[in-house]
Amino acid sequence: ETGVTQSPTHLIKTRGQQVTLRCSSQSGHNTVSWYQQALGQGPQFIFQYYREEENGRGNFPPRFSGLQFPNYSSELNVNALELDDSALYLCASSSDGIYGYTFGSGTRLTVV
Amino acid sequence: KNEVEQSPQNLTAQEGEFITINCSYSVGISALHWLQQHPGGGIVSLFMLSSGKKKHGRLIATINIQEKHSSLHITASHPRDSAVYICAATDDYGGATNKLIFGTGTLLAVQP
Repeated sequence: ETGVTQSPTHLIKTRGQQVTLRCSSQSGHNTVSWYQQALGQGPQFIFQYYREEENGRGNFPPRFSGLQFPNYSSELNVNALELDDSALYLCASSSDGIYGYTFGSGTRLTVV
Repeated sequence: KNEVEQSPQNLTAQEGEFITINCSYSVGISALHWLQQHPGGGIVSLFMLSSGKKKHGRLIATINIQEKHSSLHITASHPRDSAVYICAATDDYGGATNKLIFGTGTLLAVQP
């Protein structure tokens, strides 16, 4: 087992730019979820992918989009960045979304 | 009112003390998770439970499905236990998505 790896660990972007965050799922896991954690808050669900299809979405605008690849790695894309997008973005993988989750260490995004 | 509530929000203990963190939820769930997050860091899954009790080392997690309540206990607390402990529920909407609904966390500081 290699765990969940996220990249980059830290990122600074300018308002209006676009960003791509990456997540490598734990071996054997086919489900990946993305969460946004603002400073001092609990994580909020962005969306979930299962076998390359989005199968659930939280209350986030369409400029938040994602992909899951055949090897179950995943990307989170955010267009037209806003200052409020500054947060820790967490990726979590699981097997069929039923059993325990394995979290990555997160990507700290700062929008200036 | 949040769907997952934790108490207390902040907790300071002396090394060796027995610690209890509580979690109440108002939604139907398929599982309840206890997670640990060190400052600025990613999330580690401690327990996932849907009934009864689980124990791992000095950590014990219990859940009462009828009362929609779970507790995390730490016996013989140690300064290295200092972290944010987060309760999260896997929703049970009957669909394909098993997103996590997070509490706001309990910041624990164990003093030597």
